[in-house]
Amino acid sequence: EVQLLESGGGSVQPGGSLRLSCAPSGFTFSNYAMSWVRQAPGKGLEWVAAIIGSGDNTYYADSVKGRSTISRDNSKSTLYLQINSLRAEDTAVYYCAKEGELAYSGYFDLWGRGTLVTVSS
Amino acid sequence: DIVMTQSPDSLAVSLGERATINCKSSQSVFHSSKNKYSLAWYQQKPGQPPKLLIYWASTRESGVPDRFSGSGSGTDFTLSISSLEAEDVAVYYCQQYRSTPNNFGQGTRLEIK
Repeated sequence: EVQLLESGGGSVQPGGSLRLSCAPSGFTFSNYAMSWVRQAPGKGLEWVAAIIGSGDNTYYADSVKGRSTISRDNSKSTLYLQINSLRAEDTAVYYCAKEGELAYSGYFDLWGRGTLVTVSS
Repeated sequence: DIVMTQSPDSLAVSLGERATINCKSSQSVFHSSKNKYSLAWYQQKPGQPPKLLIYWASTRESGVPDRFSGSGSGTDFTLSISSLEAEDVAVYYCQQYRSTPNNFGQGTRLEIK
């Protein structure tokens, strides 16, 4: 079955850090760019970061740039998002999303169920 | 950054009637090398992740019912549902992927009248 499974969410204090993971199955992970998209409670979708299949290029939203790192381990078929200096406004469900085409385009044809990150003291 | 603005914010349509959601980009999302518009539509039901409906502005994703269609050009795009069914109740988002950040619209909530 083709799916994405996120993990690593939880409750963290402001200023803390978290590393989210995404485990894909059912497709050749290394062939596809991957992204993280988040959704604050009751709000819309916000693209956070993307990484191409080889891992050589990464892209970030301004809201997380400088305190987040997207990475991947193709040998372990795992996608990561490290977020540091967490703020209350980072509270959201974080979705892992798969690129829709072999060549990087930027739309997503497969989403995980998400992992909730809550930043609160 | 390209800003995506959807209208209306919410919409109530009778079963069997047509629903139309609009999306406007602050600048062109035309991808010249592909000769296509970098615009996608997603459906999100409560408690679920988004689901891809349309990409390249008008290409329907595999398995999506043909009552869903996408159209548009320039900076104005439309998602249409030709005959609304109860299962179509959801929030719909447009997304541009011409350039990062790959911004989404604010969403349109579709309900049954």
